[in-house]
Amino acid sequence: NAGVTQTPKFQVLKTGQSMTLQCAQDMNHNSMYWYRQDPGMGLRLIYYSASEGTTDKGEVPNGYNVSRLNKREFSLRLESAAPSQTSVYFCASSETTTRAFFGQGTRLTVV
Amino acid sequence: GQQLNQSPQSMFIQEGEDVSMNCTSSSIFNTWLWYKQDPGEGPVLLIALYKAGELTSNGRLTAQFGITRKDSFLNISASIPSDVGIYFCAGQLLAGTASKLTFGTGTRLQVTL
Repeated sequence: NAGVTQTPKFQVLKTGQSMTLQCAQDMNHNSMYWYRQDPGMGLRLIYYSASEGTTDKGEVPNGYNVSRLNKREFSLRLESAAPSQTSVYFCASSETTTRAFFGQGTRLTVV
Repeated sequence: GQQLNQSPQSMFIQEGEDVSMNCTSSSIFNTWLWYKQDPGEGPVLLIALYKAGELTSNGRLTAQFGITRKDSFLNISASIPSDVGIYFCAGQLLAGTASKLTFGTGTRLQVTL
């Protein structure tokens, strides 16, 4: 049982490049989330999806777009990467009112 | 944006000691959660609290949901080296049909022999 799988695990981008972070869950959860983690800031919500076909902004959505491709997959796209987007990104999934399960994270560096 | 204040920011304790950390918010939450994060891994849920005043244990861990719904506490008894990591509190609110988690800034725990 894989749980929440994120790819890639590591990525280095040049300023202005674009990329998509992939996330898939095999727990049949309705809700999925993208967080970023920065030193001393905890985890901050970027976007979330309550169900297939719906997405909503979280606390720090600027510079990102998301796609809920189907119930399993929720991708995060950086259209034009900036150094301020250097961070560790976590995808999570949950049923509506229960605990969230996290992936192992994607460490992104923008130079 | 909304943020939870978690304290202390870091702790350096000896093996066998008890540990206490807490989390406070200016807002009320329906649920309080405590996660632990090991290096290079995602957060893993330790304890979930669903009612004000609730006290819940998971082995050597005990957590409480504050009566005001604006705070929570986590205690670890008789710490061991594998307790090392970052502990996050999280408050959960229902927003439409999804639940949103707001995380604290974390408490980094280091245990010496």
